[in-house]
Amino acid sequence: NAGVTQTPKFQVLKTGQSMTLQCAQDMNHEYMSWYRQDPGMGLRLIHYSVGAGITDQGEVPNGYNVSRSTTEDFPLRLLSAAPSQTSVYFCASSKDSPSYEQYFGPGTRLTVT
Amino acid sequence: GENVEQHPSTLSVQEGDSAVIKCTYSDSASNYFPWYKQELGKGPQLIIDIRSNVGEKKDQRIAVTLNKTAKHFSLHITETQPEDSAVYFCAASTSGTYKYIFGTGTRLKVLA
Repeated sequence: NAGVTQTPKFQVLKTGQSMTLQCAQDMNHEYMSWYRQDPGMGLRLIHYSVGAGITDQGEVPNGYNVSRSTTEDFPLRLLSAAPSQTSVYFCASSKDSPSYEQYFGPGTRLTVT
Repeated sequence: GENVEQHPSTLSVQEGDSAVIKCTYSDSASNYFPWYKQELGKGPQLIIDIRSNVGEKKDQRIAVTLNKTAKHFSLHITETQPEDSAVYFCAASTSGTYKYIFGTGTRLKVLA
């Protein structure tokens, strides 16, 4: 099992550009989520999904879109990048809810200039 | 809103000493409390967790205690080793809400 994979590892964007962060898991997990990690603020939930076709907002959803067309994939889209979105982004998955161990990907470091 | 406070933000201990990190949560309905370890350049990894029907759980040198009345839980690491140096995060989750709330993290340095 590869676990949770994320691409790219690093990305630099200019303000106003759009891009998609990719996340995939091969553990047949129903629950997937996206977090951003900023210094001194821990991990904050952006969006989550409890299964294919079902997504919902977390604490900080503004400026981000998600979709879940398959169990394996959960991409995060930045619609119009802003410097405030400079962060490290982590995707995670768990068996069927966050009340089980979440498995995290290696992260994507995004810089918006 | 729901909140998890974590202290201290940094902690330095001598190798072989114990380390304690404390978290307080605000939602009395929270019932799952995991601890994650994050090494430099990597994603967080679960090291131990506890559910609200248990007061203490131990796994070798790591233990977690939960006080539901006071709404706080703690991570205890005994006989610390240099490889324990990392950032540790606590979190709280409530069944049915599908959300984790993370603490702000503790950077632990174990001095050889």
